[in-house]
Amino acid sequence: RKEVEQDPGPFNVPEGATVAFNCTYSNSASQSFFWYRQDCRKEPKLLMSVYSSGNEDGRFTAQLNRASQYISLLIRDSKLSDSATYLCVLRGSTLGRLYFGRGTQLTVWP
Amino acid sequence: EAGVAQSPRYKIIEKRQSVAFWCNPISGHATLYWYQQILGQGPKLLIQFQNNGVVDDSQLPKDRFSAERLKGVDSTLKIQPAKLEDSAVYLCASSPGLLNSPLHFGNGTRLTVT
Repeated sequence: RKEVEQDPGPFNVPEGATVAFNCTYSNSASQSFFWYRQDCRKEPKLLMSVYSSGNEDGRFTAQLNRASQYISLLIRDSKLSDSATYLCVLRGSTLGRLYFGRGTQLTVWP
Repeated sequence: EAGVAQSPRYKIIEKRQSVAFWCNPISGHATLYWYQQILGQGPKLLIQFQNNGVVDDSQLPKDRFSAERLKGVDSTLKIQPAKLEDSAVYLCASSPGLLNSPLHFGNGTRLTVT
């Protein structure tokens, strides 16, 4: 079983829509969690860290559910510029290795 | 702050040839990573350095891949000989080394093996 599982999508939503992505992980000892954003043919860039109590950054909300071993990302009021691939990332307990999901592709259309 | 620098941006080689990639991390970042990203997949760790020492190279195909970070600053990744399945983007990343610190990626080297 892979360390991190993500629905690859694609998700196609209109501007202004709310969209949510989930990501499940297999190792309960995973230590920290992140969402990265990757634009087409570009490098991944940190979108936000995910804290146990949940956290919000503008239109983006991240949640962590340790009991069910999943994290989520909610995007409200989608913009065209949100079109990208969103990568779920966790830091494992073995050497602090980072595990990346395969990414979820989002397209926001006008 | 200057970002992670990588070169070259693109490389096309024939199978069985060798190739080398270079990375200069953000100044002061102790931890340096090389990732391989195949189209449609997430990045996969090849090797992780802490200063000039290897922390994790368990997923590095050591029969053909090698990497070094001799002075604990910049790093090179080499493939010799290349195979068709090595076609991917090779991403270098660095972090300060703190447990929960995120990674900062360079813009990658896109390798095509023909």
